[in-house]
Amino acid sequence: NAGVTQTPKFQVLKTGQSMTLQCAQDMNHEYMSWYRQDPGMGLRLIHYSVGAGITDQGEVPNGYNVSRSTTEDFPLRLLSAAPSQTSVYFCASSYSRPGPRKDSPLHFGNGTRLTVT
Amino acid sequence: EDQVTQSPEALRLQEGESSSLNCSYTVSGLRGLFWYRQDPGKGPEFLFTLYSAGEEKEKERLKATLTKKESFLHITAPKPEDSATYLCAVLRPSGGSYIPTFGRGTSLIVHP
Repeated sequence: NAGVTQTPKFQVLKTGQSMTLQCAQDMNHEYMSWYRQDPGMGLRLIHYSVGAGITDQGEVPNGYNVSRSTTEDFPLRLLSAAPSQTSVYFCASSYSRPGPRKDSPLHFGNGTRLTVT
Repeated sequence: EDQVTQSPEALRLQEGESSSLNCSYTVSGLRGLFWYRQDPGKGPEFLFTLYSAGEEKEKERLKATLTKKESFLHITAPKPEDSATYLCAVLRPSGGSYIPTFGRGTSLIVHP
């Protein structure tokens, strides 16, 4: 069982370039999300999706786009990379959307380490 | 304003030396608190969910407890393989949804 798979594991971009971080899950999870993790800061939510065709913004959405055309895939697009987007990006999924007394913890991928020069 | 604060930032223990990690939160009306473990170069791995003050959960050498203002992750007789960063997250209401909001983590090193 692969769980949550993120590609690539590492990426270096130049300022202004665009790219797509891939995320796929094979657990038939309804909810998928993207976080970024920076030194000295907690995981911060970028975008999330509660099902195919439905996406919404998290805490730090600027500079990123997402789409959810299938249950399995939730790619994150950087439109014009900036040095401030240097970070480790994690995709996470859960059986149902987070909510009170919903025993549906997040399952994380192993991250994509992105450097923007 | 931080809604989830973890302390200490870093903790070094000798093997067998029990201790506790703290997670305090300011979200009103807690809907759920989660503990995760993160190893270097890996994504966080789920440990526990707590919903109500007084609730406790255990797994091997770890026990999580919850009060109305904070949660503790107690580590009993730790081993070097318990070395990791431990993350706490709370559910925060946001526009009709609930968003898991994470603290900055506690980095634990257990020396043999």
